[in-house]
Amino acid sequence: GAGVSQSPSNKVTEKGKDVELRCDPISGHTALYWYRQSLGQGLEFLIYFQGNSAPDKSGLPSDRFSAERTGGSVSTLTIQRTQQEDSAVYLCASSLGGSGGGAPKFFGPGTRLTVL
Amino acid sequence: AQSVAQPEDQVNVAEGNPLTVKCTYSVSGNPYLFWYVQYPNRGLQFLLKYITGDNLVKGSYGFEAEFNKSQTSFHLKKPSALVSDSALYFCAVRDGGYSTLTFGKGTMLLVSP
Repeated sequence: GAGVSQSPSNKVTEKGKDVELRCDPISGHTALYWYRQSLGQGLEFLIYFQGNSAPDKSGLPSDRFSAERTGGSVSTLTIQRTQQEDSAVYLCASSLGGSGGGAPKFFGPGTRLTVL
Repeated sequence: AQSVAQPEDQVNVAEGNPLTVKCTYSVSGNPYLFWYVQYPNRGLQFLLKYITGDNLVKGSYGFEAEFNKSQTSFHLKKPSALVSDSALYFCAVRDGGYSTLTFGKGTMLLVSP
């Protein structure tokens, strides 16, 4: 596709359930990022992939959060045993890697997660 | 740690007037600085970036930003605001040894007719 896509666009779940969020980056973009946007909190970095490896996962808030990327393309962010404080918009972005961090990132529309 | 601050939660300006959205940063080395815009129910869109070179950077939709090293600032500007510029604006700085970005909390720009 022409841009970064994310699915689902909205997810409502019950506390304690597991959820999986999907990101399809722009074709050819080797770098992929997950961010979380909470009301009044701005954007919080979660994890960065270069290819299939994650050199920086320092932003994952707890061990309930994990992410993987396969084939250098699609990434899934998994939240286990969801809590109400996990409610947020989860944003995925991709960029051309290897440019020293100067390449602009292209963001997807996000997945709005609501934990009841 | 590297950080970026957007001191204003909201900026109000009348259509046709110039606008400025403020951003200051803190980094250990040379900064890579970015501005992104988020329209309602839309993803973030890249506006402009400063890596090196001219301190005045021009970007999309008539926006520009001025890098000021002595003041560690990267304010976003536009000579004449449009109602359609109303959106949430994020300043970001490159963080650490990788290409992750640290974002500010965002500034809501409201342009009145």
